[in-house]
Amino acid sequence: NAGVTQTPKFRVLKTGQSMTLLCAQDMNHEYMYWYRQDPGMGLRLIHYSVGEGTTAKGEVPDGYNVSRLKKQNFLLGLESAAPSQTSVYFCASSYHRDSNQPQHFGDGTRLSIL
Amino acid sequence: QQPVQSPQAVILREGEDAVINCSSSKALYSVHWYRQKHGEAPVFLMILLKGGEQKGHEKISASFNEKKQQSSLYLTASQLSYSGTYFCGTEIGAKGRGKLIFGQGTELSVKP
Repeated sequence: NAGVTQTPKFRVLKTGQSMTLLCAQDMNHEYMYWYRQDPGMGLRLIHYSVGEGTTAKGEVPDGYNVSRLKKQNFLLGLESAAPSQTSVYFCASSYHRDSNQPQHFGDGTRLSIL
Repeated sequence: QQPVQSPQAVILREGEDAVINCSSSKALYSVHWYRQKHGEAPVFLMILLKGGEQKGHEKISASFNEKKQQSSLYLTASQLSYSGTYFCGTEIGAKGRGKLIFGQGTELSVKP
């Protein structure tokens, strides 16, 4: 049982390049989330999805797009990368919106933009 | 809307106790607690729902004071394995269900 898998684990981009981060979960979870983590800032929600085909904005959505075409996958896209997007990105999933359901996190993607 | 955690950092000797607080300016529906070790993913510890519930996990327990809009995490007889950064995640009101806003984290170091 893999849980939440993020691809790639590391990436270096040049300013202006585009890329897509992939998150896959095998727990049949309804909710999926993308966070970024910067030193001293905690985890900040970028976008999230409450089910296949639906997405919503979180706290810091600017410069990112997402898609949830399949229930098990949640993609995060950077159309034109900027140095301010250098961060560690975590994907998470949870079974349901009920408040007694924990979020399960992937191992993260470390992204550097030069 | 980000909850405020205190203290920002704490250093303990093995066997000592610690309390980490999480305060919000908004009414809370629930509070989640996670621990993250350096270079790893956050790991779930416990969830507290509104109603003043107190829960425990081994020697780690937590309380949730709905009126004060705050939660506290209690670590007793700390072990070396407790070292890491602790985050509270808050669901703000019924409309915020399923979406967590995390605090900035509290870094805990347990020394032998």
